[in-house]
Amino acid sequence: NAGVMQNPRHLVRRRGQEARLRCSPMKGHSHVYWYRQLPEEGLKFMVYLQKENIIDESGMPKERFSAEFPKEGPSILRIQQVVRGDSAAYFCASSAYKQSNEKLFFGSGTQLSVL
Amino acid sequence: DQQVKQNSPSLSVQEGRISILNCDYTNSMFDYFLWYKKYPAEGPTFLISISSIKDKNEDGRFTVFLNKSAKHLSLHIVPSQPGDSAVYFCAARSNFGNEKLTFGTGTRLTIIP
Repeated sequence: NAGVMQNPRHLVRRRGQEARLRCSPMKGHSHVYWYRQLPEEGLKFMVYLQKENIIDESGMPKERFSAEFPKEGPSILRIQQVVRGDSAAYFCASSAYKQSNEKLFFGSGTQLSVL
Repeated sequence: DQQVKQNSPSLSVQEGRISILNCDYTNSMFDYFLWYKKYPAEGPTFLISISSIKDKNEDGRFTVFLNKSAKHLSLHIVPSQPGDSAVYFCAARSNFGNEKLTFGTGTRLTIIP
């Protein structure tokens, strides 16, 4: 009975390296959302994907960040050339339907630390 | 621009008493509001929600009140229990904002035994 699985739980990168964060949604869920929580702040929406499609990426920084949700496999949030300001907790959430925030299940997050 | 604000970063309440967590919003396009609870090292979990056509929704010990004219909502927990100690996030959604939620900064609730 796996929930939303995110890995790794903790990721340490040096400035300029790439970070890849993975999210496996709950079984049967085809909607995936990525949120970022900076220290002392609330969660901020980044991107909403369905299988093979980016639906809304209005919260994604224009450069260095990308996301995908392929037909097979987990959703990936990729951050190129990381900087210290990218240090945050990144949460993935999934749902089975649109407009189903009550049925939005979050993973435990990936804590990214950039040295 | 913080569209959803939780002005109290922390709150301590005696076990058995009422906990009241407050949330204010500025975007009049928000039409659905939710509360999430978060334990350390875990993701947020849904607690209770309310549509803008209502002013109150109750679920067991949890009640959410919405005052649209004041753009204010509150979460009441009564009676408070030690397991309620967590960070509580208020979130809002606009019908025109696709599926995304706008979160407040959270209130850390500590229940004192």
